[in-house]
Amino acid sequence: SQQGEEDPQALSIQEGENATMNCSYKTSINNLQWYRQNSGRGLVHLILIRSNEREKHSGRLRVTLDTSKKSSSLLITASRAADTASYFCATDSNQGGKLIFGQGTELSVKP
Amino acid sequence: KAGVTQTPRYLIKTRGQQVTLSCSPISGHRSVSWYQQTPGQGLQFLFEYFSETQRNKGNFPGRFSGRQFSNSRSEMNVSTLELGDSALYLCASSLSGGYEKLFFGSGTQLSVL
Repeated sequence: SQQGEEDPQALSIQEGENATMNCSYKTSINNLQWYRQNSGRGLVHLILIRSNEREKHSGRLRVTLDTSKKSSSLLITASRAADTASYFCATDSNQGGKLIFGQGTELSVKP
Repeated sequence: KAGVTQTPRYLIKTRGQQVTLSCSPISGHRSVSWYQQTPGQGLQFLFEYFSETQRNKGNFPGRFSGRQFSNSRSEMNVSTLELGDSALYLCASSLSGGYEKLFFGSGTQLSVL
């Protein structure tokens, strides 16, 4: 079963706009991570937020975490065509040392 | 530092055959995890190895197995291939596993005909 579920499944925006993706999870976590995947390639780690953190920034990325609602959001500001990819949240499974990934949000940024 | 290397990049097999995939982690990383990715099921955890020992296992049948060598390189094997085993198999490494960030290889795209 999936620990994290992303929403929306697909998102299409114009270059320069902001993109927001959401992730919900079911059990308590130690941390939550976001990854990016270009079509048919491996995943690239974007950002890790710990359970005692509420917000984290990295360049044009902003991640929030609400442990009371068991949810996280990833905001990409001023998006570029090169941001077109699938974005996944991942949480530790509460079953010891493995990351469980959600189904992902497919982001398309049109020039 | 070289990244995670997976070989081969593409593989075509027929039903009933077996296949071995290889993964070389980043130098110094002792944990290697394997994931199966399909359009329908998404990313599914297969197993994790640390210091040559399987530390975690996902919900896959016994046809899926793996091992890790003393140099941290890992292999996974799928025996008696089924059509449903067609997928992108991803390997990821980290220093010590657990809840750390993972470094992924480019994957092996397996097609079972």
